[in-house]
Amino acid sequence: GQQLNQSPQSMFIQEGEDVSMNCTSSSIFNTWLWYKQDPGEGPVLLIALYKAGELTSNGRLTAQFGITRKDSFLNISASIPSDVGIYFCAGLRGSQGNLIFGKGTKLSVKP
Amino acid sequence: GAVVSQHPSRVICKSGTSVKIECRSLDFQATTMFWYRQFPKKSLMLMATSNEGSKATYEQGVEKDKFLINHASLTLSTLTVTSAHPEDSSFYICSAGTYQAPLQGYTFGSGTRLTVV
Repeated sequence: GQQLNQSPQSMFIQEGEDVSMNCTSSSIFNTWLWYKQDPGEGPVLLIALYKAGELTSNGRLTAQFGITRKDSFLNISASIPSDVGIYFCAGLRGSQGNLIFGKGTKLSVKP
Repeated sequence: GAVVSQHPSRVICKSGTSVKIECRSLDFQATTMFWYRQFPKKSLMLMATSNEGSKATYEQGVEKDKFLINHASLTLSTLTVTSAHPEDSSFYICSAGTYQAPLQGYTFGSGTRLTVV
């Protein structure tokens, strides 16, 4: 099925560093969502973005909905070991319907 | 916040048997539930969309007779893997959403690890 272009595929960083990942699409989305998945668990919603240009924070996480509505980024500041996991972006075209997922960014944090 | 409970978290079954996985929205009414399959180190692959009281819509390539979905109430959807084979072994995840605006983002269950032996 259709997927978003998410990059990078994986990241290995030192504790305390900032992290940035992004998703792009050739199509417009009305909603962008960022999820984190721990091994053996379902994805957990981190941030939801509803308007083009919107910048939203959740603790050390900040995400933005691109002006063109075709991209979004997620930043994590001052990473800690529990940030380890796989981060997925997801887009939604209408107010309903299924999510289109990125392929995920695997984050590893060295203490 | 919205909570989705998925059960069982793990199941091992013999080839040829059927397995039922339940997905419940605990504190909201889910007009739509989605069933995903996830292979190791891969993203979530949508299998089907389930609307309460109507037949599920399956994605291309997903056998509806093999993966039976029932969404009988606004808080429960079930996925039954019929005549399971080892290649059906996977991580199955449900998510639930509601048409009540604004959309808060779909909430996912914790997943079910199915192993067919």
